[in-house]
Amino acid sequence: KNEVEQSPQNLTAQEGEFITINCSYSVGISALHWLQQHPGGGIVSLFMLSSGKKKHGRLIATINIQEKHSSLHITASHPRDSAVYICTRNTDKLIFGTGTRLQVFP
Amino acid sequence: GAVVSQHPSWVICKSGTSVKIECRSLDFQATTMFWYRQFPKQSLMLMATSNEGSKATYEQGVEKDKFLINHASLTLSTLTVTSAHPEDSSFYICSASNPGGYNQPQHFGDGTRLSIL
Repeated sequence: KNEVEQSPQNLTAQEGEFITINCSYSVGISALHWLQQHPGGGIVSLFMLSSGKKKHGRLIATINIQEKHSSLHITASHPRDSAVYICTRNTDKLIFGTGTRLQVFP
Repeated sequence: GAVVSQHPSWVICKSGTSVKIECRSLDFQATTMFWYRQFPKQSLMLMATSNEGSKATYEQGVEKDKFLINHASLTLSTLTVTSAHPEDSSFYICSASNPGGYNQPQHFGDGTRLSIL
């Protein structure tokens, strides 16, 4: 069992829909990253958070340390949001989630 | 924002060749850099942690003699895949962070797609 579990694994949405991607981890952490990997492979760091909630544009990330759970929300989704979203827990080393492949259709 | 440059973007070479991949931090000093490997449809796997001026720390199962890492300056780490074979074909990507290691924001290179014929 992966220490970092994401759901769903695949997600298809129509443009404009509200998207939620979930991440659960089994070991206590000091920080968690949300990453976006584009089809070409390049990776962008979206958020690093250790508590509460962060917002950047249409993206919102929340984390509940007690429940060992984080969510990434995308409001008003757009085809350019199509990518793989990966959560990564940070403690003594980086452990990557399995990723969620999102496709947003016009 | 911080930029990490990785070169080359893709490599195709014959079996037995050694391939060097460079990872540069362009606008900050990176005392720690990380090297990852990713097979198609799979998650990133940390291969090793590269520390400036000292030996790299390799993850379990990663052959240090096969994947040579050098972090000779605060802005450059290199990964050399020695005597590459088809099973080494993969997507390799680096990341760098400011001092503080894992709890600092990670800045990723664009990755290197390696194909060994």
